[in-house]
Amino acid sequence: KAGVTQTPRYLIKTRGQQVTLSCSPISGHRSVSWYQQTPGQGLQFLFEYFSETQRNKGNFPGRFSGRQFSNSRSEMNVSTLELGDSALYLCASSLGPGANEKLFFGSGTQLSVL
Amino acid sequence: GESVGLHLPTLSVQEGDNSIINCAYSNSASDYFIWYKQESGKGPQFIIDIRSNMDKRQGQRVTVLLNKTVKHLSLQIAATQPGDSAVYFCAEISDFGNEKLTFGTGTRLTIIP
Repeated sequence: KAGVTQTPRYLIKTRGQQVTLSCSPISGHRSVSWYQQTPGQGLQFLFEYFSETQRNKGNFPGRFSGRQFSNSRSEMNVSTLELGDSALYLCASSLGPGANEKLFFGSGTQLSVL
Repeated sequence: GESVGLHLPTLSVQEGDNSIINCAYSNSASDYFIWYKQESGKGPQFIIDIRSNMDKRQGQRVTVLLNKTVKHLSLQIAATQPGDSAVYFCAEISDFGNEKLTFGTGTRLTIIP
């Protein structure tokens, strides 16, 4: 069974640009969560999607957005990139929402903003 | 606000020895805790979890201890192996129906051959 797949693996952008990251969950998983990981702030929750609906959202500005498709695949978008957006963006999937469901993480997309 | 913190940012252990990684949490309402392992270039990997109605839970070579009185969590790894070298995070879920995890800052464990 394939794990969580994130593309691209690495990305370099410049300030002001926008970026879209993609996540394919484990087959059969319907819940997808996104996290930002930086050396200074650690792992921070961005948002969670289930059945194409955003269930929860972390404390990030509106420049960060996401969506989920009917096949459970998810994308997140960051507009008007800032230097501080440089981070590892991790996607995690689970069978469904709820704390009983274990999260399985992908290897992440390393975004560098120059 | 609630936070999950770690006592030590780095830990070096001789191969074969046992290691203990500690974690403090501040939200007394937290009811579910998880330990994750993150190897270089990979995402966090689930190790073991524990609910607040338990004090101890054992897995394969790992044991998690929960002390609710002092809001402290620890991960014990027995007979450490080189493959145990990684960053270990504790995480909490304070709302049981919420998938939002609050992660600690992480401890880097290095196994010395």
